[in-house]
Amino acid sequence: DTAVSQTPKYLVTQMGNDKSIKCEQNLGHDTMYWYKQDSKKFLKIMFSYNNKELIINETVPNRFSPKSPDKAHLNLHINSLELGDSAVYFCASSGQGGNYGYTFGSGTRLTVV
Amino acid sequence: TQLLEQSPQFLSIQEGENLTVYCNSSSVFSSLQWYRQEPGEGPVLLVTVVTGGEVKKLKRLTFQFGDARKDSSLHITAAQPGDTGLYLCAVGSGNQFYFGTGTSLTVIP
Repeated sequence: DTAVSQTPKYLVTQMGNDKSIKCEQNLGHDTMYWYKQDSKKFLKIMFSYNNKELIINETVPNRFSPKSPDKAHLNLHINSLELGDSAVYFCASSGQGGNYGYTFGSGTRLTVV
Repeated sequence: TQLLEQSPQFLSIQEGENLTVYCNSSSVFSSLQWYRQEPGEGPVLLVTVVTGGEVKKLKRLTFQFGDARKDSSLHITAAQPGDTGLYLCAVGSGNQFYFGTGTSLTVIP
């Protein structure tokens, strides 16, 4: 069983489109996250959700919105996609606020053309 | 400037060689984690260090947390091609979690 699964693995879309990336974890973790990894491999946190509450909201464009229907799911919606949104997006989860490590999904490579 | 600076940024070595990568900061942390990321996959947690001066070993990998808890090192003995990947250190600060700039390691057979 995959602990943190995200879909799709690859996403190619045109500028201006709206897209979603789905994430599910079966670890029973309380907190889920979205990270963006740029072309230089730098990982930066975008959002985290703890018990369906947003507890971190970094300075990302409001075109990005996380949606958590329940503790096991955290989806990422992106409106009006721009070329600069091209990156790899990772979902992750953790227990106890991340102090004991994160479990990551395998990533979604988003390419905006 | 980044909260966590890793060095070197890139490292290419022959199989069987030893290597050390570093993770440095000017801030003090209660704990620090090391991850390895392989191409096309997400980072995987290798170890968490919590005590200043702590040394942890994971097979051929040795992790050390600095005495002042501002820095850490990862030493690999007799590197193998399977060690190839991106090594990331990470820390929690308040409600946020930060990753280092990364060291991309290639071990040549």
